[in-house]
Amino acid sequence: EAAVTQSPRSKVAVTGGKVTLSCHQTNNHDYMYWYRQDTGHGLRLIHYSYVADSTEKGDIPDGYKASRPSQENFSLILELASLSQTAVYFCASRGRNYAEQFFGPGTRLTVL
Amino acid sequence: GDSVTQMQGQVTLSEDDFLFINCTYSTTWYPTLFWYVQYPGEGPQLLLKVTTANNKGISRGFEATYDKGTTSFHLQKASVQESDSAVYYCVLGDNNNAPRFGAGTKLSVKP
Repeated sequence: EAAVTQSPRSKVAVTGGKVTLSCHQTNNHDYMYWYRQDTGHGLRLIHYSYVADSTEKGDIPDGYKASRPSQENFSLILELASLSQTAVYFCASRGRNYAEQFFGPGTRLTVL
Repeated sequence: GDSVTQMQGQVTLSEDDFLFINCTYSTTWYPTLFWYVQYPGEGPQLLLKVTTANNKGISRGFEATYDKGTTSFHLQKASVQESDSAVYYCVLGDNNNAPRFGAGTKLSVKP
């Protein structure tokens, strides 16, 4: 069974602080993605990666950085957290050839 | 650019009603299309996938047909249950970059 895990599952951060969200997959997948979901809304793509040591900007990259140090790990970094970044963040991985995405359980981030 | 449109933000039905969720796409090629479902408190999961080779997907009583002429990929189910209450996303596959998600349709089924 394909597996994507995220840590932490929940976090409270202060405005202006640095936040790092981590994602780990054991699927041997090339592609990894970070999305945010605001309450009652759909998914929006922040960053993605198709190979280790390389990341691409998604639709809403401003205020976020991403890091892919290995095939298995993909981090999302908020250098200066803001109130507007309060949301649930989902990580996903995908294999090649139009394979399905496998999502993690999400990280609920609250910025105060 | 490539896009997916789901116009229905919310659908409310009673058990045993027929479900129909609209999805249209815009792209310059013949894509692979997906429907994902997201239950409360969980990440999205694949419901069904359709390629140009098979044109139709069926899973857990749900069905979607790929219509290249109208560029549509509607989701249907003959008889919904309360347990089907969730958010449904139509997704346009992209093998080189990121899949394109529709805005999602929240289905609420009353017992």
